Amino acid sequence: DAMVIQNPRYQVTQFGKPVTLSCSQTLNHNVMYWYQQKSSQAPKLLFHYYDKDFNNEADTPDNFQSRRPNTSFCFLDIRSPGLGDAAMYLCATGRGTGYSPAQHFGDGTRLSIL
Amino acid sequence: QQQVKQSPQSLIVQKGGISIINCAYENTAFDYFPWYQQFPGKGPALLIAIRPDVSEKKEGRFTISFNKSAKQFSLHIMDSQPGDSATYFCAASILSGTYKYIFGTGTRLKVLA
Repeated sequence: DAMVIQNPRYQVTQFGKPVTLSCSQTLNHNVMYWYQQKSSQAPKLLFHYYDKDFNNEADTPDNFQSRRPNTSFCFLDIRSPGLGDAAMYLCATGRGTGYSPAQHFGDGTRLSIL
Repeated sequence: QQQVKQSPQSLIVQKGGISIINCAYENTAFDYFPWYQQFPGKGPALLIAIRPDVSEKKEGRFTISFNKSAKQFSLHIMDSQPGDSATYFCAASILSGTYKYIFGTGTRLKVLA
């Protein structure tokens, strides 16, 4: 089945220690999104890649970066995690302009900060 | 103007009953309205979606009703089952470079057996 796969499912890191979360997709979609979801809240868009073009949301902290080395993979880097960055991080894909706006989500990585 | 307001925050329904969740928006540029179902520890899963040129869409026990003039849309779950217990998010999509979602705040549904 075509899927959005996130690894790891759970990640524990120390305050200030860089961490990388990974997302891969077999849908061959042009767009990959990263969302942050805190407990009992809606997902909040951090940024997205449309093909190789990176698009940052205005209120996304500089502490969050992303890389997309190819169509299938996208990474979320948190340079110096703070306690407030503990959350579920969701990756989603979409086909892009001119196609269905539907987004397909992975099951997320739950990040804990010690 | 970019907000999507969702209600109720939580909902308890008896098995076999109808669950109704409502959303309202302001921006008429939104052109796609999906509903997502999220179980604990899982990502949101697309349940059903509608475009503003359609007033109703039904898929199995799930129906979206859309009122363009009132800028409101709702999810109806018929014959609600305990397995439907989850958090439901409405969203509205806008084309801004690519399609972006504005999510509602979520409704936690519990269906009693």
